[in-house]
Amino acid sequence: SAVISQKPSRDICQRGTSLTIQCQVDSQVTMMFWYRQQPGQSLTLIATANQGSEATYESGFVIDKFPISRPNLTFSTLTVSNMSPEDSSIYLCSVEKVPGGAYEQYFGPGTRLTVT
Amino acid sequence: AQSVTQLDSQVPVFEEAPVELRCNYSSSVSVYLFWYVQYPNQGLQLLLKYLSGSTLVKGINGFEAEFNKSQTSFHLRKPSVHISDTAEYFCAVSGRGSQGNLIFGKGTKLSVKP
Repeated sequence: SAVISQKPSRDICQRGTSLTIQCQVDSQVTMMFWYRQQPGQSLTLIATANQGSEATYESGFVIDKFPISRPNLTFSTLTVSNMSPEDSSIYLCSVEKVPGGAYEQYFGPGTRLTVT
Repeated sequence: AQSVTQLDSQVPVFEEAPVELRCNYSSSVSVYLFWYVQYPNQGLQLLLKYLSGSTLVKGINGFEAEFNKSQTSFHLRKPSVHISDTAEYFCAVSGRGSQGNLIFGKGTKLSVKP
């Protein structure tokens, strides 16, 4: 398994500002992912972050709005830039593990962001 | 591309009753299937997964799911629910070879009443 922590757990921000969310894993992992869960909605993949390469963004998400860093195999950050109320969501990071060849993806507790 | 449909947005049930949460998927390639549970104000926890082999998969907390390829379904079941099972349940699919990209359904809120 994997133990994932996120900081902050929640925040209230003003529109036009930026927030950086940190994700820390208790073991080295190759692939990390960032998801968004809008109020009352399901999870949507924002981007995939591999150490040593640029993040890969899904359709509808761009690097200028959601820059991602992946400096090592246990840590990643997601920045939500120039925020608007529409960015109010829960942001979750996840990691992929393949124990014994059996694929699993583990999620952090999430960061609840409210933009006013 | 894959997609997931969870047919029920809310399922109310009495304690100790059986429950089935329905999930259908579509995909042009072979898939991996997952059920996650999200308790209030918490992250997602993996309940169970189907990768290959036996179509009946057993998970944590007494849950099980059956992969039905012909009906493209992966319904979640529990023979007797507890109050503590109250949570939101998400079905997810990924195409084999693109495991990182989990496609989630909209979720089913299970409410267990005494």
